[in-house]
Amino acid sequence: AQKITQTQPGMFVQEKEAVTLDCTYDTSDQSYGLFWYKQPSSGEMIFLIYQGSYDEQNATEGRYSLNFQKARKSANLVISASQLGDSAMYFCAMRENTPLVFGKGTRLSVIA
Amino acid sequence: SQTIHQWPATLVQPVGSPLSLECTVEGTSNPNLYWYRQAAGRGLQLLFYSVGIGQISSEVPQNLSASRPQDRQFILSSKKLLLSDSGFYLCAWSDVRRKLFFGSGTQLSVL
Repeated sequence: AQKITQTQPGMFVQEKEAVTLDCTYDTSDQSYGLFWYKQPSSGEMIFLIYQGSYDEQNATEGRYSLNFQKARKSANLVISASQLGDSAMYFCAMRENTPLVFGKGTRLSVIA
Repeated sequence: SQTIHQWPATLVQPVGSPLSLECTVEGTSNPNLYWYRQAAGRGLQLLFYSVGIGQISSEVPQNLSASRPQDRQFILSSKKLLLSDSGFYLCAWSDVRRKLFFGSGTQLSVL
């Protein structure tokens, strides 16, 4: 079974609008961490945001926020006020007592 | 501050030729080190990770190997490349939360 599921292969959003990228995970561990990375066309992997399983508040980093619903095992990334430079692949990842496992990614395209 | 260097950026190799990709980390000691591969349009697949010199864990059986001859050096190798080895290879190190910091990647094309 997949540990990380990203059901949206591609998403479009209008510039300045908000967008939610979905991520669900599968674990039986109580302690785990969830990450989101951005990969622009250059290929580099850029860390965006982190949520620990014991964190009670949703993580936020500037225009990025993580909608963490523990009971549903979801960790959706919300990008507010989209910019053209947000066009990229976005990967959700999870660590248990293991190295990070990545989802297949969502390609976000921001339209002017 | 910590930096990670990975080279070369691109590589074109014939089938059956050897491979050596190198990764070095600066500004930290005893890091956990990782090699991931990304096939075109796909997610990242963990190939190897290392928690110390000479300690290598392999996640996927294949004709690739990894070595860690020094604390901050991680090498990915192959004796004979296959067409299926083509992809984007990323080296990374992790902090205590296992947040990964990635190198700039190597695009390998096996022809």
